[in-house]
Amino acid sequence: DADVTQTPRNRITKTGKRIMLECSQTKGHDRMYWYRQDPGLGLRLIYYSFDVKDINKGEISDGYSVSRQAQAKFSLSLESAIPNQTALYFCATSGLGSSHYEQYFGPGTRLTVT
Amino acid sequence: DQQVKQNSPSLSVQEGRISILNCDYTNSMFDYFLWYKKYPAEGPTFLISISSIKDKNEDGRFTVFLNKSAKHLSLHIVPSQPGDSAVYFCAATSNDYKLSFGAGTTVTVRA
Repeated sequence: DADVTQTPRNRITKTGKRIMLECSQTKGHDRMYWYRQDPGLGLRLIYYSFDVKDINKGEISDGYSVSRQAQAKFSLSLESAIPNQTALYFCATSGLGSSHYEQYFGPGTRLTVT
Repeated sequence: DQQVKQNSPSLSVQEGRISILNCDYTNSMFDYFLWYKKYPAEGPTFLISISSIKDKNEDGRFTVFLNKSAKHLSLHIVPSQPGDSAVYFCAATSNDYKLSFGAGTTVTVRA
């Protein structure tokens, strides 16, 4: 079984809808991250959490919110989706046992906002 | 403004030859650098890393070189194999457990 899982893997939604992307991990890591990937821009950090009570904005947090429901679960919400939020979204983890600053990524969620 | 830059969006190389991927950074506080590899429909996977106290790190066919004065690093793949065809991301961190990524370089290895 995969160490970092993301649901859904693909989602098409309409402008203005609320949508939640979920991430679960079995690695026992404390730190969890949400990124989005856009062509020509690489991966950009949306939010990150270093433990259950810690939530921090990344470089592109506007229009997004997160919830760290447990050490193993970190969800990303788009309160009112807009077309320029169409992207590939990745969850990642790091923590005790990972080599230095290495992060482990989930398989990604492809989100399309029409 | 991107602090990590990969100026070559793509690279095509013949099987068996060397692939050289380049990465530049602007933040002098970065002290640890990583390369990730990504196949379609999968998440990025860690490939190799280097600390700023070193100028070279080797792991099998993969070698990363760091030139701190030039704020430049490169990844060498020798020999290149068809399975190396993927997108490669350069990433950097300043000891805060956050990674800054470059835009990626798509490598195609020709038979």
